[in-house]
Amino acid sequence: GQNIDQPTEMTATEGAIVQINCTYQTSGFNGLFWYQQHAAEAPTFLSYNVLDGLEEKGRFSSFLSRSKGYSYLLLKELQMKDSASYLCAVTSGNYQLIWGAGTKLIIKP
Amino acid sequence: IAGITQAPTSQILAAGRRMTLRCTQDMRHNAMYWYRQDLGLGLRLIHYSNTAGTTGKGEVPDGYSVSRANTDDFPLTLASAVPSQTSVYFCASSSDRDTGELFFGEGSRLTVL
Repeated sequence: GQNIDQPTEMTATEGAIVQINCTYQTSGFNGLFWYQQHAAEAPTFLSYNVLDGLEEKGRFSSFLSRSKGYSYLLLKELQMKDSASYLCAVTSGNYQLIWGAGTKLIIKP
Repeated sequence: IAGITQAPTSQILAAGRRMTLRCTQDMRHNAMYWYRQDLGLGLRLIHYSNTAGTTGKGEVPDGYSVSRANTDDFPLTLASAVPSQTSVYFCASSSDRDTGELFFGEGSRLTVL
């Protein structure tokens, strides 16, 4: 079957760095998305990786290794507003978008 | 700029009743989607539409129907609601179903008693 695994919950300290991992097993691969979702709000787009390597966008970076079926989202200089769930999603071979259950990130002062 | 608008934002419904969740986008996106989100589970696709006039079944289509009469509107109907349909429903759109970033509405929280 197809599935995406990511940790259920993580805790980090304001100002620190946190890495949220995502592993996937899908029938084919066409790209990987990261979305941010604050409580009781809609998901919003963070990043899209198609090729191996690191994509940096301000305080957020996303890494992809297609051979390992692995990605991570790196958040630097954590702020309280970064407390949210982070959703990993993969576009499979037939362009079906498969979602992970999300990682709830708790930021402590 | 509205993006995607969903209505209602919240609704309590008796089991057996019919309910339509409305979704409208003003971005002229071809593809639209309905997802449900339940605690501990990833977003699950209910139905989708690649372009006006066409629809397709997603991962969990049973008990739901959709229509796509024009580019902007994509309503989701529960013909006879059941308690297991209690969930948060998100409508989304993208310019291209194959590679596009998804834009989500604010969600509709539905409780079926």
